[in-house]
Amino acid sequence: GQQVMQIPQYQHVQEGEDFTTYCNSSTTLSNIQWYKQRPGGHPVFLIQLVKSGEVKKQKRLTFQFGEAKKNSSLHITATQTTDVGTYFCAGVGGYQKVTFGIGTKLQVIP
Amino acid sequence: NAGVTQTPKFQVLKTGQSMTLQCAQDMNHEYMSWYRQDPGMGLRLIHYSVGAGITDQGEVPNGYNVSRSTTEDFPLRLLSAAPSQTSVYFCASKAVQLVTEAFFGQGTRLTVV
Repeated sequence: GQQVMQIPQYQHVQEGEDFTTYCNSSTTLSNIQWYKQRPGGHPVFLIQLVKSGEVKKQKRLTFQFGEAKKNSSLHITATQTTDVGTYFCAGVGGYQKVTFGIGTKLQVIP
Repeated sequence: NAGVTQTPKFQVLKTGQSMTLQCAQDMNHEYMSWYRQDPGMGLRLIHYSVGAGITDQGEVPNGYNVSRSTTEDFPLRLLSAAPSQTSVYFCASKAVQLVTEAFFGQGTRLTVV
């Protein structure tokens, strides 16, 4: 079945440093989604990538989808304390089944 | 603007008890799903449904039952609770189209003692 691997599992950064999380799928994905979960909250959709090689930006966040549509990354430039949370990638496969990676928990040290 | 509503928010069960976690959405989404979230394990899919009358198993279905008699509701039943089912449970729904996001409920924190 479809598996989505995500690294690193934890990341501590000083405020102002950059942060990147990587996602790899065992199968080719029709699309990939990214979600953010604040501590004590529920996952909230950030973005979806559909096309091979696609790059999208949301302010300080840059999302990439690999050429083979099996990997993706999220990069945050100059982290802020508001970026704290767990970032999940999710692959959408057959029958719209959404499979989540393990998540990367980001701590930002002021 | 209710979105996805889960009840209860918190629950403590004794081993062997049964209960139903409720999930309702008002967005007419065909796809609904249940996840459990445990430390270091991410979000693991328990069961999902692509429409009324249709359900299928996810990664960790054992010990849980679901049914989908209406588009709006997707309850999750624990038949005989075990301590290993202590977790945070999330219900999510999405439209069955390629470029759509999943909407999550607020979660149910379940403790089995």
